[in-house]
Amino acid sequence: DAGVTQSPTHLIKTRGQQVTLRCSPKSGHDTVSWYQQALGQGPQFIFQYYEEEERQRGNFPDRFSGHQFPNYSSELNVNALLLGDSALYLCASSTTGYHYGYTFGSGTRLTVV
Amino acid sequence: GNSVTQMEGPVTLSEEAFLTINCTYTATGYPSLFWYVQYPGEGLQLLLKATKADDKGSNKGFEATYRKETTSFHLEKGSVQVSDSAVYFCARYMEYGNKLVFGAGTILRVKS
Repeated sequence: DAGVTQSPTHLIKTRGQQVTLRCSPKSGHDTVSWYQQALGQGPQFIFQYYEEEERQRGNFPDRFSGHQFPNYSSELNVNALLLGDSALYLCASSTTGYHYGYTFGSGTRLTVV
Repeated sequence: GNSVTQMEGPVTLSEEAFLTINCTYTATGYPSLFWYVQYPGEGLQLLLKATKADDKGSNKGFEATYRKETTSFHLEKGSVQVSDSAVYFCARYMEYGNKLVFGAGTILRVKS
């Protein structure tokens, strides 16, 4: 049973560019959350998607946006990249209403130069 | 507020030593609490959890007890192995926002 898969694993972007990260949730999960983990820090909640809608959002600017598709997979988009956006981006999937079982992917390492 | 505070690392131990990583939280009510582990180059793995006061979570020799009196959820292991070297994150579930709030993480290094 595949867990959460994220792509790409690494990428390098230039300041001002735009990036799209992708996530496929664990089989049977319908909710996808995105977290940003800066170097040496704990993950910070970006937003959560359920039924193709953004349901919750953390303290991140509108440059961060997302999407969820009918198959529950999700994308995270970041516009106008800043050096400070360099981080590990983690996707977590879960089943709505059951908050004991978040499954995390291995993450996408984004470097902005 | 709603935060999680962990002891700073790195924590360096010899194999078979006893491990304690402190974690305290602030919250109204009694949130579910978690410990996650992150091995080098990987994502987060759920290590253990406790969903109500006085619960003890355990897995792979690790234990943590939900102490409401001290608002703590310290991670312990009686005998660590080199393979336990990783970063450990304490987290609480936040119902408002339906999200996890993480501590900053504690690096554990175990030497043979």
